[in-house]
Parts: sequence; structure tokens; C-alpha cells
Amino acid sequence: KNEVEQSPQNLTAQEGEFITINCSYSVGISALHWLQQHPGGGIVSLFMLSSGKKKHGRLIATINIQEKHSSLHITASHPRDSAVYICAVILLTGTASKLTFGTGTRLQVTL
Amino acid sequence: GAGVSQSPRYKVAKRGQDVALRCDPISGHVSLFWYQQALGQGPEFLTYFQNEAQLDKSGLPSDRFFAERPEGSVSTLKIQRTQQEDSAVYLCASSLPPGHSNEQFFGPGTRLTVL
Repeated sequence: KNEVEQSPQNLTAQEGEFITINCSYSVGISALHWLQQHPGGGIVSLFMLSSGKKKHGRLIATINIQEKHSSLHITASHPRDSAVYICAVILLTGTASKLTFGTGTRLQVTL
Repeated sequence: GAGVSQSPRYKVAKRGQDVALRCDPISGHVSLFWYQQALGQGPEFLTYFQNEAQLDKSGLPSDRFFAERPEGSVSTLKIQRTQQEDSAVYLCASSLPPGHSNEQFFGPGTRLTVL
């Protein structure tokens, strides 16, 4: 079983829809990242959080440490949001800052 | 440049060839990570440097994989006698020292195809 699980694996939405991507993890962590990967491979860090909620533009990330669960929300989705969204955690044990990744959620936003 | 750069962006190798992949981290970032991303999968950790010291190489899949960062800036990931299962995107990331922000900045990756 992977230490980091994401759902759904694939998601198709129409422009303007509210989108939620979920991430669950089974180990103790010090922080969680949400990353965006566009075709061609480039990865951009969207959020890093260890508690509560963060907002940036149309993106919102929340984390519940007790339940070992995080969500990424996209409001008013747009075709340019189409990408793979990856959840990654920094484990409490092991190499400082080393990331353990989920397999990603492929999002396609259509007109 | 302002970001992490990697070269080459694409590499095609015949099975058995040696390859060398380069990473230029953001200036001042002492932490450097290499990750391997197979097609359709999330990245997986390979190795970690703090300055020139390789503090964790637990993710290197075999002794054919070797990484170095001799002067604490540029890093090279070398794969000897490449195999088809080595085909993947190799990602480099850098960050500030532990204790500062843990945010990692990723390079564009090198897509290696072994024929």
C-alpha cells in the first residue's frame, strides 16, 4: 500500500465547475505539498502546509492532521487548470525535506 | 537563471550506454534532490545532497546509479550500462537549508529513453 493515496486518479470537469482532489496518507508527516505538473514534465509547487488552510487565487488547500487527509479545491475551473496535481508529504522520520509522492490526479477541464 | 535548470532535456540511449544528467540548482540552495518519475507514476526519491555531502542515497535503484555534487552547486546523476527500465523522467529539485522553508523548486526534468 502506498504511503500517499490520491483520489480520483482522473477527473474531467466543465469550465466553471468546483473541483476537489483528495489526498490521504498513512504515516506521520511534518508538512504536505500540493504540486502541479503540466505536460512536458515541469513541476510547480502550489502549496506547502502543515495545518489549517491556505488560499491562493482560485486554489484552496486544507489539511486535517488528525485524520491524515488533505484536499485541494479549485474554484471556477478553467481549461488552463488542466494538469496533473500531485500530493507529496515530508515524513517525520527519514531525510529532512525528502518528498514522498502520490501518483497524481489528472485533471481535464473542458469548455 | 532564476530557476533550476537541467540538461539535456531529452536523452535517447542505447541499452548498455552510460549517460550523465546535469542539474543546476538555484543559487544559494544548499539542498538538492534527485527524483525518478516513470510514465504515469508519481516521482520517487533517488538521492539527497546537502552542499557537497550526499546524505541519503537510499532511493538509488542499483549500483549502476551514481550521483555527485563535488562543489556543492551543480550535480550530476550518472547511470551506467543503461537498461530499458531506466527510461523515465529524472527530476532535480533544490531548496533552502533544513530549518528554513521546505519548499522545493523543481527543474524541467530530463526525459531518458533507453532503446
